[in-house]
Amino acid sequence: DAGVIQSPRHEVTEMGQEVTLRCKPISGHDYLFWYRQTMMRGLELLIYFNNNVPIDDSGMPEDRFSAKMPNASFSTLKIQPSEPRDSAVYFCASSFATSLDTQYFGPGTRLTVL
Amino acid sequence: GENVEQHPSTLSVQEGDSAVIKCTYSDSASNYFPWYKQELGKGPQLIIDIRSNVGEKKDQRIAVTLNKTAKHFSLHITETQPEDSAVYFCAASPNQAGTALIFGKGTTLSVSS
Repeated sequence: DAGVIQSPRHEVTEMGQEVTLRCKPISGHDYLFWYRQTMMRGLELLIYFNNNVPIDDSGMPEDRFSAKMPNASFSTLKIQPSEPRDSAVYFCASSFATSLDTQYFGPGTRLTVL
Repeated sequence: GENVEQHPSTLSVQEGDSAVIKCTYSDSASNYFPWYKQELGKGPQLIIDIRSNVGEKKDQRIAVTLNKTAKHFSLHITETQPEDSAVYFCAASPNQAGTALIFGKGTTLSVSS
């Protein structure tokens, strides 16, 4: 298995632009998680899905952030408009069954907003 | 909600020494405690976990201990090697469907040879 796949690996954009991050979970995994990692705040859970349905989006910082999972093999995290404080590494992770099973993380997308 | 504190934030040891990282949690209902290792440029990877019905778990050079009364758990790495250098995260969560992991802020471990 290729593991969790994220794209792009690096994104540099200017303030105000729309950013879309993509994730392909491991086949057969029912849970998908989006995290944001910064030096100041560590690893923060933004949102997670179970069987393509959002379960908890309380970690999404504001309305500029949105996430979708149109099918079991694809999810997007969108930031519109982007701001410099959104600069971080964004991780996608998936797990097989319950939200407490081993989470397998992707390599992350490093986002820089100028 | 759950809050996880992790100490120290950085730890430097000589190769062959032991390393200990400690975490405390606030929610007494939490009973699942995994540890993740993040190497440079990669996503975190699970290395060991423990559930509240167990006080200690060991896997080769790594072990985790849990004290539910005091609400703290620790990661122990013995005979450290340079490849152990990484960021380590503890996490906690009530073992219930629909709940998510809460991660500590991480510990950067440096093992010098």
